[in-house]
Amino acid sequence: DSGVTQTPKHLITATGQRVTLRCSPRSGDLSVYWYQQSLDQGLQFLIQYYNGEERAKGNILERFSAQQFPDLHSELNLSSLELGDSALYFCASSVGVQGEKLFFGSGTQLSVL
Amino acid sequence: GENVEQHPSTLSVQEGDSAVIKCTYSDSASNYFPWYKQELGKGPQLIIDIRSNVGEKKDQRIAVTLNKTAKHFSLHITETQPEDSAVYFCAASTSSGYSTLTFGKGTMLLVSP
Repeated sequence: DSGVTQTPKHLITATGQRVTLRCSPRSGDLSVYWYQQSLDQGLQFLIQYYNGEERAKGNILERFSAQQFPDLHSELNLSSLELGDSALYFCASSVGVQGEKLFFGSGTQLSVL
Repeated sequence: GENVEQHPSTLSVQEGDSAVIKCTYSDSASNYFPWYKQELGKGPQLIIDIRSNVGEKKDQRIAVTLNKTAKHFSLHITETQPEDSAVYFCAASTSSGYSTLTFGKGTMLLVSP
């Protein structure tokens, strides 16, 4: 167990809908990262938050947004969903702001039908 | 941006054999190279990492080597066991800092008893 908790484990929704994925980092970790994993694109970095502030942005679509709350949990919001958004979404956490020694959660499998 | 190529995509070995997975990166400013293991239904787990000022690092049956000149790094697993079967990912930091790890597409390692 990595100590990173992601909910829900599975999510099935329809095109055009909006969903929220939730992540609780390991105790003591201040950074939270969101990654998207698909068969064709592999693991793609989306966004990082450190102690409530956005620190780095990757290939995140404008339809997607995230935030980190004062208790350090994070949410990834995906809106106007398309079929191509179906993927495994991982949250990871680390102690510091540098992306070293990431601990990944078990992921949320999103299926857009 | 950084680009990480990983080979082979699948690797089958007999228990007790050695396995080698190779990665190349494009950004000469990259300075952090972790390897992650992903088992079925789980998130990636860090197994070993190396910095650009070190040429080799070992941890029991696994080792990583780095050739900065050629911009490639490799994972070596000796005395493979069936529980080593998983997908392995290499990654490299981008020149903008450690946070934005770029991952290879992964290698599925199958260890037959």
